Amino acid sequence: GENVEQHPSTLSVQEGDSAVIKCTYSDSASNYFPWYKQELGKGPQLIIDIRSNVGEKKDQRIAVTLNKTAKHFSLHITETQPEDSAVYFCAARGLISSGSARQLTFGSGTQLTVLP
Amino acid sequence: DGGITQSPKYLFRKEGQNVTLSCEQNLNHDAMYWYRQDPGQGLRLIYYSQIVNDFQKGDIAEGYSVSREKKESFPLTVTSAQKNPTAFYLCASARASGRNLNEQFFGPGTRLTVL
Repeated sequence: GENVEQHPSTLSVQEGDSAVIKCTYSDSASNYFPWYKQELGKGPQLIIDIRSNVGEKKDQRIAVTLNKTAKHFSLHITETQPEDSAVYFCAARGLISSGSARQLTFGSGTQLTVLP
Repeated sequence: DGGITQSPKYLFRKEGQNVTLSCEQNLNHDAMYWYRQDPGQGLRLIYYSQIVNDFQKGDIAEGYSVSREKKESFPLTVTSAQKNPTAFYLCASARASGRNLNEQFFGPGTRLTVL
């Protein structure tokens, strides 16, 4: 099944700096790559997603890039603010371990801390 | 308000007991999902359902059971066969599944602690 690796596990940046989180995936047929933000004690919320026919997508301070050849995708947050502090998860829609269906497989998460 | 609700927020159970976690959505979504989240790990898929009266095992279904008798509801039972049930459980729903790539909306989660 799909395997998603996410780095780094923790990331601290100064307010106003940029933050980059990287993920790799194993299933070359994966076709959908969402990014979620999870605040403490809450469920994850989608912040941006990208499909396999697109190389880059941007939404205000957030951008995602996808390299299908290398099977990796990245989240870029510019002009970071303290409220960006949270855990961020990447995911890829590929075959689950039973091999019977395509569902989301999540990375292990990145704890982002934006220091004021 | 439209959304996904999970109850209770915190749940304690004794070893050897079964417990059922509730998940309800009023978004008219066809697909519903249950994930387990452990500290320092990503979300792992337990079960999912793409249509009423049908559900499929995810990556870690052992020790869990589900039902999907209504479109709005997808309860998860953690049985005594689950060897390490203490975790944060998240329910999600999506407008459709299969070939359609639609956003999954998550509930607020239930934190289960086995004493």
